Amino acid sequence: DTGVSQDPRHKITKRGQNVTFRCDPISEHNRLYWYRQTLGQGPEFLTYFQNEAQLEKSRLLSDRFSAERPKGSFSTLEIQRTEQGDSAMYLCASSSRVSGSRGEQYFGPGTRLTVT
Amino acid sequence: AQSVTQLDSQVPVFEEAPVELRCNYSSSVSVYLFWYVQYPNQGLQLLLKYLSGSTLVKGINGFEAEFNKSQTSFHLRKPSVHISDTAEYFCAVTPANQAGTALIFGKGTTLSVSS
Repeated sequence: DTGVSQDPRHKITKRGQNVTFRCDPISEHNRLYWYRQTLGQGPEFLTYFQNEAQLEKSRLLSDRFSAERPKGSFSTLEIQRTEQGDSAMYLCASSSRVSGSRGEQYFGPGTRLTVT
Repeated sequence: AQSVTQLDSQVPVFEEAPVELRCNYSSSVSVYLFWYVQYPNQGLQLLLKYLSGSTLVKGINGFEAEFNKSQTSFHLRKPSVHISDTAEYFCAVTPANQAGTALIFGKGTTLSVSS
C-alpha cells in the first residue's frame, strides 16, 4: 500500500494557461475525491468519483474546471484559463468500500498551484 | 447542511504541557466526526474518528477526543505535547447517512509547541 500519490507536487503557471494534475489513489480504492485548500483555510470539497462515475460536483467547480477518472483508477483535474484566484493546494483523497462507509478518506500530499 | 467551527486559529504551548484544540459543529442530522493533522508541505493524516458508541475516542500519537452531543463539540486533547506535534489540525464532519461523500472541514488550528 503506497498511499495516494499526486503529480506534480508544485506547478507555477501564467494566468490564462491550462494546467492538469494527476492523482493515483490507493490500489483497490473505488472512491476518489478532489479538494482545494487556500492559505489559512481548511480543505474545500470539489468533486468525487465512485469508480469512473462522477457523482457530485461542488459549486466551487466552475466551468473552467473538469475532472475525469476514465478507467476508475487514476484521475485528472484540469483547470482552463487559470486565474490568480486559482492559486491553492489541490488535494486528492481516496477511500475503499469499507473505509468509505465510515467516512474515512486517505489524502495525498497535494499539488501546489501558483498562478502568476 | 453541516458546518464546523474551530474556535482557536493558533494555540501556542510549551513542550510537555497539556493541550486542547476546540471544535464545534452544526448539523440537523447525525454526523461522523474526524480530526486530521497536516504537517508542513504534506497531505492530511487521520488522527482519530467518532462514528458511534463511546464518546471518548483515542487516536494515534497519544491524542484523544471527546464527542459531546448536547454541546455539539468534538474537542481534541493530548496530556503532554512534543515538539513534533507542531502542525495544523483540522476538524471535519460528514453526515452519517451520507458517509463516503464530502468531508466538511473547519479552518484549522495551528499548534505550535516550543521548548
